[in-house]
Amino acid sequence: QKEVEQNSGPLSVPEGAIASLNCTYSDRVSQSFFWYRQYSGKSPELIMSIYSNGDKEDGRFTAQLNKASQYVSLLIRDSQPSDSATYLCAVFKAAGNKLTFGGGTRVLVKP
Amino acid sequence: EAQVTQNPRYLITVTGKKLTVTCSQNMNHEYMSWYRQDPGLGLRQIYYSMNVEVTDKGDVPEGYKVSRKEKRNFPLILESPSPNQTSLYFCASRPQGNYGYTFGSGTRLTVV
Repeated sequence: QKEVEQNSGPLSVPEGAIASLNCTYSDRVSQSFFWYRQYSGKSPELIMSIYSNGDKEDGRFTAQLNKASQYVSLLIRDSQPSDSATYLCAVFKAAGNKLTFGGGTRVLVKP
Repeated sequence: EAQVTQNPRYLITVTGKKLTVTCSQNMNHEYMSWYRQDPGLGLRQIYYSMNVEVTDKGDVPEGYKVSRKEKRNFPLILESPSPNQTSLYFCASRPQGNYGYTFGSGTRLTVV
């Protein structure tokens, strides 16, 4: 079982709709959770971080964390064509100072 | 501008010829790390450093060396590159505490 799992996609959403991305992780001692956006051929860009159970909103992005279910999600509201990218879920454990990435979900926003 | 700078951006080399990829950050971050990204395998950590002279292996350290003699610099050394080290490499840094990494622009390495 991979430490961090994401559906590879592509997740196709119409412009203006909500894109919903999911991520599960295997290690219960994981402490911090991050979402990165990566455009093709570019470096990952940090867009959201979440540390405690519940929702965290930043602009059109909402991250949700459920530690009991070992589940992190990202919602993108009012999706725009510029949101078309691969979204990487990353999970941090202080033990070993390890940040582990999922394989990423490719999102395609169609005008 | 706060950033992580890697050089070179692109590199084609031959098997066995030692090379160094440089990485520098101007944010006074304690932690630095090297990742490689391969299709189907995602981002995998090669080495990381918690501060000057403190480094440790990540998930795929074989064939790589690192050093951290200054806080801002964290070079990646391939003593004898092989074709299976053809990949996209990212350097990243973060401050102490629960913060995500900031990534450099990447180095696309091809070993023939």
